[in-house]
Amino acid sequence: DTAVSQTPKYLVTQMGNDKSIKCEQNLGHDTMYWYKQDSKKFLKIMFSYNNKELIINETVPNRFSPKSPDKAHLNLHINSLELGDSAVYFCASSLESDGVSGYTFGSGTRLTVV
Amino acid sequence: AQSVTQPDIHITVSEGASLELRCNYSYGATPYLFWYVQSPGQGLQLLLKYFSGDTLVQGIKGFEAEFKRSQSSFNLRKPSVHWSDAAEYFCAVGPFGNEKLTFGTGTRLTIIP
Repeated sequence: DTAVSQTPKYLVTQMGNDKSIKCEQNLGHDTMYWYKQDSKKFLKIMFSYNNKELIINETVPNRFSPKSPDKAHLNLHINSLELGDSAVYFCASSLESDGVSGYTFGSGTRLTVV
Repeated sequence: AQSVTQPDIHITVSEGASLELRCNYSYGATPYLFWYVQSPGQGLQLLLKYFSGDTLVQGIKGFEAEFKRSQSSFNLRKPSVHWSDAAEYFCAVGPFGNEKLTFGTGTRLTIIP
C-alpha cells in the first residue's frame, strides 16, 4: 500500500524519558512534515523537510529534534519528555516543496507522558 | 499571516439531512484552500481542494465546497449525510512557498438517526 506510515501508534512513557517516533512514506514525495495535535484537536506544524533539508522549524522546544536520513523518512526524537508533550503527532508528506497538491497524513502517534 | 476560522465547534445533523460547514480564511493573495476529514483515531484525509478556476469544487464522499472571494469563505457542503460522515472536519489554507498548511480548529460533526 502506498502511504505514510508512523510507528508506534501509541506511546506511553514517563516524564524525563527520551523517545522517538518514526515516519516513512513510499509515495515518492519530496517534502515531509511533523504536526502536533493537542487535546483540543488544534493542529500545529512543527517541522518540514524537503529532500532531507530542514525548511520549516516552528517555535518548538529544542528537546524536539527531527532527523531525515533520506527523503522517504522523517523521524522525530524527543528528549526529556514533559507532561505537556502529551498529544497526537502526525507525520505528513507532499509531492512538491510548497505542498500545493495537498498533504498525505499518517494515522498519528498518540503520545502520553505520565 | 494566513489564518483560518471555523466558527462552529460542533454540529449535529440528522442522517439524510443536508450539511454545511463554515470556513473563513485570511490570506494576502489568492489562497489554496483545503478540507480534510479526521475519523476517530485516524489521520487526516483530503476531501477536496481549491486552487483556481471553477469556484465550486467536488470532492470525495459526495462533498463539495464553494470558494467565495467576496466573503473570504470556503464552506463545505453535502446534500445528504450518512452516519459514516461523523468525524472532525478541518479547513486549511496555504501553503505557498515556504509557508505551511495552516489549519482551522476543526468542526466536530455528529450524526443522529
